[in-house]
Amino acid sequence: EAQVTQNPRYLITVTGKKLTVTCSQNMNHEYMSWYRQDPGLGLRQIYYSMNVEVTDKGDVPEGYKVSRKEKRNFPLILESPSPNQTSLYFCASSYGTGENTEAFFGQGTRLTVV
Amino acid sequence: AQKITQTQPGMFVQEKEAVTLDCTYDTSDPSYGLFWYKQPSSGEMIFLIYQGSYDQQNATEGRYSLNFQKARKSANLVISASQLGDSAMYFCAMSGWGKLQFGAGTQVVVTP
Repeated sequence: EAQVTQNPRYLITVTGKKLTVTCSQNMNHEYMSWYRQDPGLGLRQIYYSMNVEVTDKGDVPEGYKVSRKEKRNFPLILESPSPNQTSLYFCASSYGTGENTEAFFGQGTRLTVV
Repeated sequence: AQKITQTQPGMFVQEKEAVTLDCTYDTSDPSYGLFWYKQPSSGEMIFLIYQGSYDQQNATEGRYSLNFQKARKSANLVISASQLGDSAMYFCAMSGWGKLQFGAGTQVVVTP
């Protein structure tokens, strides 16, 4: 089954404790991205990757890191989480970046930083 | 820069009625795509419908149709014959330059 898998689904952590949210897709998609969803703001892009070893900042990259060492995986790293990073996070992948490219989303990761 | 605007934070609709969700956009790209996603209370993002900027006809997918008015830069979603299972948050999104730009969303509650 074609899917994007994020782990964990739920995470509560303390300020400053490094964490990683994993994302894996089995569709051989070149393009992957991370979004955060906050009430009243919709989804905002954090980082994206056009291919292996190619990443770039989205609209809200501060406080986040990513890596793309393999095509299927695109982890999101919070080196020193803060309470303002409490949010619902989505990983997405697509086969390209054209106008008609549908994005496939993971199930979401609800992160709480206390 | 691209911008997507959904002006309806929330709305109630009676079962079996049609509902229109508004979406306006702004872009300087000549080529772009418009998407609608549904997010039920469980949280996942479900793709509903797509409209390309050069498509001559409005997109339809079952009970979903997209009322695309290019000159007015609007891409409204119409859900016909609402069902209780349609209660969810709905997001309009526009593709371009390798990313999706999302609106703030509209919460729809379908009542019996």
